[in-house]
Amino acid sequence: KQEVTQIPAALSVPEGENLVLNCSFTDSAIYNLQWFRQDPGKGLTSLLLIQSSQREQTSGRLNASLDKSSGRSTLYIAASQPGDSATYLCVVNIVGGSYIPTFGRGTSLIVHP
Amino acid sequence: SAVISQKPSRDICQRGTSLTIQCQVDSQVTMMFWYRQQPGQSLTLIATANQGSEATYESGFVIDKFPISRPNLTFSTLTVSNMSPEDSSIYLCSVEGGTGETSGAHADTQYFGPGTRLTVL
Repeated sequence: KQEVTQIPAALSVPEGENLVLNCSFTDSAIYNLQWFRQDPGKGLTSLLLIQSSQREQTSGRLNASLDKSSGRSTLYIAASQPGDSATYLCVVNIVGGSYIPTFGRGTSLIVHP
Repeated sequence: SAVISQKPSRDICQRGTSLTIQCQVDSQVTMMFWYRQQPGQSLTLIATANQGSEATYESGFVIDKFPISRPNLTFSTLTVSNMSPEDSSIYLCSVEGGTGETSGAHADTQYFGPGTRLTVL
């Protein structure tokens, strides 16, 4: 059974810092991995999707990497801003097309001015 | 990307009543998913709804408590029946942008609705 762990569970940093959020998964036979952002009391916004054949994806200040063999993904946030404050979820989709994703518990990020 | 709307956005309900949540997608999709997020928890999949067939429920969730309709490829409803305070959660609808779908959704990407915040007194 796939298990997804996110470290740290919570993070509080001053504005401007570069951040690394970690996601690990137990079964390397994944279809893809997706990073989401969730603002308090709201739905999820997709940030980056990495296919199993890819090593990284970039969007603006965000960069996500994937190392399937070690079961790890990282989300790098450059020059953090208070607007980045949210919970970041890592979601792993398994091989097989049944598309039942496994969610991490998230990293709660606070960027203070 | 696929655009998903949910109604209502939030509701406060009395114990023992039922609430139906609607999910509308701007493109035709085969699979729609319903999730629950209890306070402080990550998302839990309730069921998968395919058009034209009965929903498939995950362990711990049953049709009598969470009946689902999927009348067409752009719409689904989830009903939370005979509610108790333990049902207070955010309920989210999600779709998969797989191959063969109509315009908008990118393949292999999951899209989520804005969620319905339910409080049961």
